[in-house]
Amino acid sequence: AQSVTQLDSHVSVSEGTPVLLRCNYSSSYSPSLFWYVQHPNKGLQLLLKYTSAATLVKGINGFEAEFKKSETSFHLTKPSAHMSDAAEYFCVVSEPGYSSASKIIFGSGTRLSIRP
Amino acid sequence: EAGVAQSPRYKIIEKRQSVAFWCNPISGHATLYWYQQILGQGPKLLIQFQNNGVVDDSQLPKDRFSAERLKGVDSTLKIQPAKLEDSAVYLCASSREGRQGAHSPLHFGNGTRLTVT
Repeated sequence: AQSVTQLDSHVSVSEGTPVLLRCNYSSSYSPSLFWYVQHPNKGLQLLLKYTSAATLVKGINGFEAEFKKSETSFHLTKPSAHMSDAAEYFCVVSEPGYSSASKIIFGSGTRLSIRP
Repeated sequence: EAGVAQSPRYKIIEKRQSVAFWCNPISGHATLYWYQQILGQGPKLLIQFQNNGVVDDSQLPKDRFSAERLKGVDSTLKIQPAKLEDSAVYLCASSREGRQGAHSPLHFGNGTRLTVT
């Protein structure tokens, strides 16, 4: 069975410093992995996705994530945080549904706060 | 392309009343999802449609929740009767969902915030 664990419920960093949001997954198959961002009172927006191509994935707004199969991790990083990055971030795992549509599981989320 | 449309944006009802939410997915997207997001938690899948057929409704409380997707396009989610613990944001998402085994990213609407008093 697939699952996804976001290791930190809340991360706080200073503006201009690096961001690291951690995500571990388990999957019986070759999964697709995604990071979504949710700003207050808004829907979820796709940041980036991994679908078995390059293991280092670049997304929007300067974010990137590296798929590490040996560690079953898909951590999200950004070199320099901006105030506008303050939001809730969700790691998502998706397994292909060979007899039906894909199964998609959300992590519990990490709230990112940015200190001036 | 136009995004996923949801209405209403907000809804306040009393417990035991009924409520319905509407979703119009992105044109051409075969798969439609309804998620429930309780404050402070990640979205939880309620039901997943592939065209107008149900793929997964294992977490839908079927004694009070129902959903349909007529003609494989728009969808409605209904709660009857509502309970206090149904207070949440209800998110609709759609995806292109290509060939079997592939996965396309989800595109989300802005959600409907339901408050049950």
